[in-house]
Amino acid sequence: QLQLQESGPGLVRPSETLSLTCTVSGGSIKNVVYLWGWIRQPPGKGLEWIGSISYTGTSSYSPSLKSRVAMSVDTSYKQFSLKLNSVTATDTAIYYCARLHKTMTSALYWGQGILVSVSS
Amino acid sequence: QSVLTQPPSASATPGQTVTISCSGSSSNIGSNSVNWYQQFPGTAPKLLIYNNDQRPSGVPDRFSGSTSGTSASLAITGLQSEDEADYYCSTWDDSLNVLFGGGTKLTVL
Repeated sequence: QLQLQESGPGLVRPSETLSLTCTVSGGSIKNVVYLWGWIRQPPGKGLEWIGSISYTGTSSYSPSLKSRVAMSVDTSYKQFSLKLNSVTATDTAIYYCARLHKTMTSALYWGQGILVSVSS
Repeated sequence: QSVLTQPPSASATPGQTVTISCSGSSSNIGSNSVNWYQQFPGTAPKLLIYNNDQRPSGVPDRFSGSTSGTSASLAITGLQSEDEADYYCSTWDDSLNVLFGGGTKLTVL
């Protein structure tokens, strides 16, 4: 059974960089059929796709966040990461990592989510 | 403001059928398949329907999806109290950006 687990600081100061890592276990990260993505959910609000990355490192980002986002993948450690710079309070959210089907974009496997608060 | 429009809420009594709509455009639902997610408070979303009308293993056949033009629908028949949750539609656009609807909170009366 594939499992994903987010990790990183739960509190980030305004204007600093949010950094999260997702560790994949129970399966391979090297699969051409899937992308590895980040989705966030502000408290009490809906889901927002942040971006996706293939195991080869090809990435795509949400147009609204593109200028502040960078994703990377480390196949040796079966991890992929998210960096979001210049954060503000509006970036406070639960951040989920997920495995997305490359063509259907459906996400069967999700991490449990990690709450990241932006506050001084 | 989500590109995919869902009603913020829906309600029905146990045993009834409820339908949740998701309205998009020709550049998203009109040309790509739709997925539906179910989310309970404090938990990650769960894939309910993929590729318009396919159910992952373990999802009851009470849940069904359909599309017509630039809209999609999720139907839940034989509604049960445990179906009370938030439901999200999702697809992608011509630029391969993943899109989510704003979500619909389903209340079982």
